Amino acid sequence: GQNIDQPTEMTATEGAIVQINCTYQTSGFNGLFWYQQHAGEAPTFLSYNVLDGLEEKGRFSSFLSRSKGYSYLLLKELQMKDSASYLCAVSHNAGGTSYGKLTFGQGTILTVHP
Amino acid sequence: EAGVAQSPRYKIIEKRQSVAFWCNPISGHATLYWYQQILGQGPKLLIQFQNNGVVDDSQLPKDRFSAERLKGVDSTLKIQPAKLEDSAVYLCASSSMTGNTEAFFGQGTRLTVV
Repeated sequence: GQNIDQPTEMTATEGAIVQINCTYQTSGFNGLFWYQQHAGEAPTFLSYNVLDGLEEKGRFSSFLSRSKGYSYLLLKELQMKDSASYLCAVSHNAGGTSYGKLTFGQGTILTVHP
Repeated sequence: EAGVAQSPRYKIIEKRQSVAFWCNPISGHATLYWYQQILGQGPKLLIQFQNNGVVDDSQLPKDRFSAERLKGVDSTLKIQPAKLEDSAVYLCASSSMTGNTEAFFGQGTRLTVV
C-alpha cells in the first residue's frame, strides 16, 4: 500500500519562512504534487516534482528526493492568506496498470499569525 | 476554460436513504476522480476513470457505493443505503492525463447523513 506522512499542524508568523515536510513509501512512483486547500474550498494545485531537486515558483518552492522518499514545500514571506491546509499527493501507478493514481496525505494545517 | 462542475453543493439525508452526486469534468479531460474527504483528513480516492473505463476502485465500498462515467464525460456517484459515517465532502477532479498532470477539483458536495 501507500504511506504518506506529513505533520498535522504548523504555526508561523507573518513575513517568516515555513517548511512543510512530506515523506512517502510507494511503489511505481511517478511524481509528487502539493495542493493548497482553504477551509470549505476545493484543493488547488501548487507544484509538481518529478525529478530530484528544487522547483521554485514565486514565494513557493518544492523539493523532492526520490531516493529518500522525501519532499518539502517552502513558503517564503508568509501572508495571512497563506493560512490553509497543505496537501502532499503522490502519483503512482495503479496496480497492474501503467495509469497514474493520485493518493493524498492527511494534510498540514498551517496557521499564520500577525 | 470552464472548471469542474459538481452538483448539488449540499445534501442532507437520513441514514439508509440513497443519494447521487453529479460531476462534469473539464472538456477534453480523459481522467476523472472521485474523492471522499472527511473533516480534518486528506482526500481519499474512491474511484478513478480513464475515459469510461475504471482504472482503480480499490477503496470504493462496493456494497453501497457505485459510480459510472457513461460516454467518458459526465459521471455520477451513488450511495445506497447511506450510513452516518458517509458524512463527508465528495470531490470530483479531472486531469488531461492519468495522475501525471495537475488535477483540477470541483467545489465538492457536502453530504450530511443524519
